[in-house]
Amino acid sequence: EIVLTQSPGTLSLSPGERATLSCRASQSVGNSYLTWYQQKPGQAPSLLIYATSNRATDIPDRFSGSGSGTEFTLTISSLEPEDFALYYCQLYGTSPFFGGGTKVEIK
Amino acid sequence: QVQLEQSGAEVGKPGASVKVSCTVSGYTLSQLSIHWVRQAPGKGLEWMGGFDPEDGEAIYAQKFRDRVSMTKDTRTATAYMELSSLRSEDTAVYYCATLGAYDDFDYWGQGTLVTVSS
Repeated sequence: EIVLTQSPGTLSLSPGERATLSCRASQSVGNSYLTWYQQKPGQAPSLLIYATSNRATDIPDRFSGSGSGTEFTLTISSLEPEDFALYYCQLYGTSPFFGGGTKVEIK
Repeated sequence: QVQLEQSGAEVGKPGASVKVSCTVSGYTLSQLSIHWVRQAPGKGLEWMGGFDPEDGEAIYAQKFRDRVSMTKDTRTATAYMELSSLRSEDTAVYYCATLGAYDDFDYWGQGTLVTVSS
């Protein structure tokens, strides 16, 4: 089974800075879709990016996803105060599974 | 717009069972693939199981296969997740979510806190 490793575990940045989050698969994901979620404290996760690079409904364009094979990236071009949160990547191979998450915190 | 409303917090004793519900509105339950994901305090997301969109049968993560049951009642538009033989490490927030066209979880319930305590 593929394992998703997210890095860094915590990203300390200031508002306005660029955030680059990594999600690495232990083997090529082939044609499987890679998804990103955002989770704020006390809330359910919410869909951010689906199929590697497509923004979900109402997601601002400062969020972008890219990658293929084993390397995927979520980029937030300029952090807004509401972007400081947890981010998870997810894949559906033979079953769904998640990466361990990256916390984006205010520096 | 799909909305998922989950039942309230539960406290269960070790060895007992707990049943969490997820009521769907804004869409027809029979056309949705409902899945369950849990999150232990301070931990990440863990998929437990759900309904295969191909044949509608319940599929479970191997870790939970022996003690989880997922069902649905289309009359009341409600999906259920029952976890038995509770242990302390089952203390978590349990979410229902719908599986989207790109194998993503596109809509989520608000979560149900299950606390296992004697």
